[in-house]
Amino acid sequence: ETGVTQTPRHLVMGMTNKKSLKCEQHLGHNAMYWYKQSAKKPLELMFVYNFKEQTENNSVPSRFSPECPNSSHLFLHLHTLQPEDSALYLCASSQQGQPQHFGDGTRLSIL
Amino acid sequence: AQSVTQLGSHVSVSEGALVLLRCNYSSSVPPYLFWYVQYPNQGLQLLLKYTTGATLVKGINGFEAEFKKSETSFHLTKPSAHMSDAAEYFCAVTEGVAGSNYKLTFGKGTLLTVNP
Repeated sequence: ETGVTQTPRHLVMGMTNKKSLKCEQHLGHNAMYWYKQSAKKPLELMFVYNFKEQTENNSVPSRFSPECPNSSHLFLHLHTLQPEDSALYLCASSQQGQPQHFGDGTRLSIL
Repeated sequence: AQSVTQLGSHVSVSEGALVLLRCNYSSSVPPYLFWYVQYPNQGLQLLLKYTTGATLVKGINGFEAEFKKSETSFHLTKPSAHMSDAAEYFCAVTEGVAGSNYKLTFGKGTLLTVNP
């Protein structure tokens, strides 16, 4: 059973909608990550937070807006998305010097 | 900059046969290397990791990998495939600093099919 929980598991939204993805970790880790996984492409790192502070923004379009209110929770706010944004969005967490633990992802479909 | 190349996007083996999934990396500093597995509709699960020390590392589910610096490789093997090994496998590299949080670069993945 994963210590990283993502909700919802599936999300279908129109291009004009606003929705949020949620990630929660119960592992006591201090870093959290958002990744995008598209078919036939490597995992793309989107954002990294260390101790609630954003330390990495990998040139992600502004229609994706992350929020990390504390070390256990991470959100990805979505608005005005494009069809090419349809993908599996994975959240991960880690402790310093340790590998990342992944959630099961949110499968996002943009109509 | 670091990069990962996984040779073969799809590997098919028979049950009981040797599994060999290839991974080559590029890194400007001594790398930390990882293999993750992803089952359908799930996230990534860590199979094994190499940081320092012994170059042959053993992981879960009978998998192991050997770090070969001269060949810049970190191939994943399992002596005898099981049907439950069918999944997608990802190799990842980081220019890790001990005690830091890793920024991973992933390969494109290799889908392993196990035939009865």
